[in-house]
Amino acid sequence: DGGITQSPKYLFRKEGQNVTLSCEQNLNHDAMYWYRQDPGQGLRLIYYSQIVNDFQKGDIAEGYSVSREKKESFPLTVTSAQKNPTAFYLCASTTRGRGLGDIQYFGAGTRLSVL
Amino acid sequence: AQKITQTQPGMFVQEKEAVTLDCTYDTSDPSYGLFWYKQPSSGEMIFLIYQGSYDQQNATEGRYSLNFQKARKSANLVISASQLGDSAMYFCAMSSFYNQGGKLIFGQGTELSVKP
Repeated sequence: DGGITQSPKYLFRKEGQNVTLSCEQNLNHDAMYWYRQDPGQGLRLIYYSQIVNDFQKGDIAEGYSVSREKKESFPLTVTSAQKNPTAFYLCASTTRGRGLGDIQYFGAGTRLSVL
Repeated sequence: AQKITQTQPGMFVQEKEAVTLDCTYDTSDPSYGLFWYKQPSSGEMIFLIYQGSYDQQNATEGRYSLNFQKARKSANLVISASQLGDSAMYFCAMSSFYNQGGKLIFGQGTELSVKP
């Protein structure tokens, strides 16, 4: 079955620690996205990538980093510079990310908490 | 600036009845797309329906329809014959020709509860 897999489902971060959230898709999509969701809020874009080895900052990129070495994979690192990392993180992908009607499909999310 | 507004934090509907979830948007872009997603308690965002700004007819997908009123800048979701499994958060979102990388702008969501 094609889809987007995020792992882990739950993650805990200690003070000063970097943590990495995994996102893998087997939909052969070019574009991938990371969104952050805070309680009672909509989603906000952290980073996106429309092609391998290229990615762009979204609206709230500070304290986060990404890589896109393979088409299928778009991991997100939450660095120690992100002072308020507790949130629900959702990864999405779409065919090209250039058309108005490109539907974004989402993974099941990772819930990150600070110890 | 682009913005999506969902003014109903929570809604209740009786099973088998229809319900309308409100969404208004603000954009100066001539071309844009409007989406509705469902987020059950498990957290995954599930795509429901899409409407393009130049589409003449309202979009429909099974029990979901999008009431698109361009002049009023509204894109309300109508769910017919509500089911218990429809209880979830619902988000309205917008894409735009000028949006960086095809990103979506999301509203704050409406929590729908279906009563048996």
